[in-house]
Amino acid sequence: AQSVTQPDIHITVSEGASLELRCNYSYGATPYLFWYVQSPGQGLQLLLKYFSGDTLVQGIKGFEAEFKRSQSSFNLRKPSVHWSDAAEYFCAVGTSGGSYIPTFGRGTSLIVHP
Amino acid sequence: DAGVIQSPRHEVTEMGQEVTLRCKPISGHNSLFWYRQTMMRGLELLIYFNNNVPIDDSGMPEDRFSAKMPNASFSTLKIQPSEPRDSAVYFCASSPRNAASGNTIYFGEGSWLTVV
Repeated sequence: AQSVTQPDIHITVSEGASLELRCNYSYGATPYLFWYVQSPGQGLQLLLKYFSGDTLVQGIKGFEAEFKRSQSSFNLRKPSVHWSDAAEYFCAVGTSGGSYIPTFGRGTSLIVHP
Repeated sequence: DAGVIQSPRHEVTEMGQEVTLRCKPISGHNSLFWYRQTMMRGLELLIYFNNNVPIDDSGMPEDRFSAKMPNASFSTLKIQPSEPRDSAVYFCASSPRNAASGNTIYFGEGSWLTVV
């Protein structure tokens, strides 16, 4: 079975600074990888996903993520954070076979200082 | 395109009352999921359906919880009787379940349940 770890429970950055949120997964084959964002009082919105092709994936809201097989990682990045990016971020790993249902990490809470 | 639609968005009910949460998945999606989110336990998968058939309900906490999907465009999650510890956000999600989409799951806005 697959698993996913988000090592950072909270991340604090200043507005305008760069951001990297970490995600590590465990799965024997090529995984399907996702990042979701949850703003306060809202549902989970898909930011980006990877399941084949270019390992650098562009998403909405200026986010990108890079799949690194050798490190079993799929870290989320943004070059310049805006105050509106303050939210909870979830990494998820899925599979092409088996139950196929993505497994979600516990989330990383992003705090943005003005 | 309309996303996953859930109702009610917010519900406050008294302990012992029946609660019914409703969901309309994205048209054409053949998988539907019910999740529960709490501060203590994070995001938990309660049950999922494939082509309207319940596949795995091992996440349903106890017999007070039940879920149905009578057709491809509607599902309910029922709690009877409700208890204060059921207070949480309940998300419905759907997926087209195909390789082209990477089996991507799309979430609704959630139903925020408070049991007093």
